[in-house]
Order: sequence, then C-alpha cells, then structure tokens
Amino acid sequence: EVQLVESGGGLVQPGGSLRLSCAASGFTFSRYWMTWVRQAPGKGLEWVANIKEDGSEKYYVDSVKGRFTISRDNAKNSLYLQMNSLRAEDTAVYYCARNIFDWLSLFDYWGQGTLVTVSS
Amino acid sequence: QLALTQSPSASASLGASVKLTCTLSSGHSGFAIAWHQKQPERGPRYLMNLNSDGSHRKGDGIPDRFSGSSSGAERYLIISSLQSEDEAEYYCQTWGTGFWVFGGGTKLTVL
Repeated sequence: EVQLVESGGGLVQPGGSLRLSCAASGFTFSRYWMTWVRQAPGKGLEWVANIKEDGSEKYYVDSVKGRFTISRDNAKNSLYLQMNSLRAEDTAVYYCARNIFDWLSLFDYWGQGTLVTVSS
Repeated sequence: QLALTQSPSASASLGASVKLTCTLSSGHSGFAIAWHQKQPERGPRYLMNLNSDGSHRKGDGIPDRFSGSSSGAERYLIISSLQSEDEAEYYCQTWGTGFWVFGGGTKLTVL
C-alpha cells in the first residue's frame, strides 16, 4: 500500500524557516518524481515544487523561487521542503504527492498534509 | 497561457447524477487532464486521467460511479448515483514544461 506521511508543519513568524518532511512507503521511492502541493485556507490547490527521481531536476512555482528548496533522500525514502523567508501568504496545508506519467504528468497518491501557519 | 477554468460550485440530489466541467484555455484543447477529489479534513485523492477523446483511466479503488468525457476544450467529470461522501471539492489538473497547474476547483454539494 502506497503511503505518504508529511511532518514538520507548525507556527512560524514571518521571515522564519521551516523544513517539511514526507516519509514514503509501499513503493520504490527512487523511481518516481515527487511533488509538493499546498492549499491555503479557503483557497484551491496550488502546485509548489517537483523533483526528479534522482534529484537532478527541480521545478518551482514562481511565488516560492529563491525561498523554498525541494530535496530528497532516496536511501531514506524521504522528500523534503526547506522553506525560508516565510510570508503570511505561505500559510497553507502542504501535501506531498507521487508524480507519474500516464498521458500527462499527474499526482496519483497524496499524503494527509501538514499545516504551516506563518504569523506573528 | 495554459490555464484551467472550473465553476466554483455545483449541487445535485442524493442518488442523482452530476457533470462537472473543466475548460482548457485557448490553444490547449488537445491537452489531457487529471481529476482529483478533496474531501474536508482529508488529503486529495486521484480519481482519473482524461484524454481529449474522452478516454480515461481511473485511479486505484475509484468506483464505477465516476467517469469522464471530453468535448473540444471541455473535460467532464460525471458522478452517478450520488452519495453523501461525494460532497467534496473537485479539481482538474494538467501540466506544461516545468510547471503543473490546477483549476480553481468546484465545490459539490449533495442535497
């Protein structure tokens, strides 16, 4: 059974940093692109970042470029999101998801999410 | 610019059918999309992919009540025999080179 479990969310002040983790199990983690998606309160889903199987390619939504860094440790079956210079508008539930290609690049398994609140 | 448009809300009665629409931006009518369901307090769930010709493949464990179809730039999610647990937000999603995009979502209310 594919499982994705996020952790690391919490309350942080504007300008602060936080590192999210996603523990993967039930599949060969090193063979898949992985993704972070977020949902701000009362808003829709927003793609945040993607990383290739071996970490050699990374993509980010414009609003987080230069502030967030996606990474992975295939030996630990783990995905990470380092978030720096956090802003109030980064407040959201953050989900990790597995990325496959089946006619298009899509997200076929999701975690339950971890809440990040940026507030003073 | 690649974008997806969804109506913010829809409603239908218990046991009835509903058709949700996702519209691709001009020039992108040939794109495939994916549908995802977001229930309150739960992580999103992948429902299916959907090609421009209406062919689709569902995710693991998705009931037969869920299906998809296409017409031009429009992609549809059809849910039949509506159940209370179908009350959720539904998002379409596609991708371009180096970016992934969601529609704004449709909140479905089951009456």
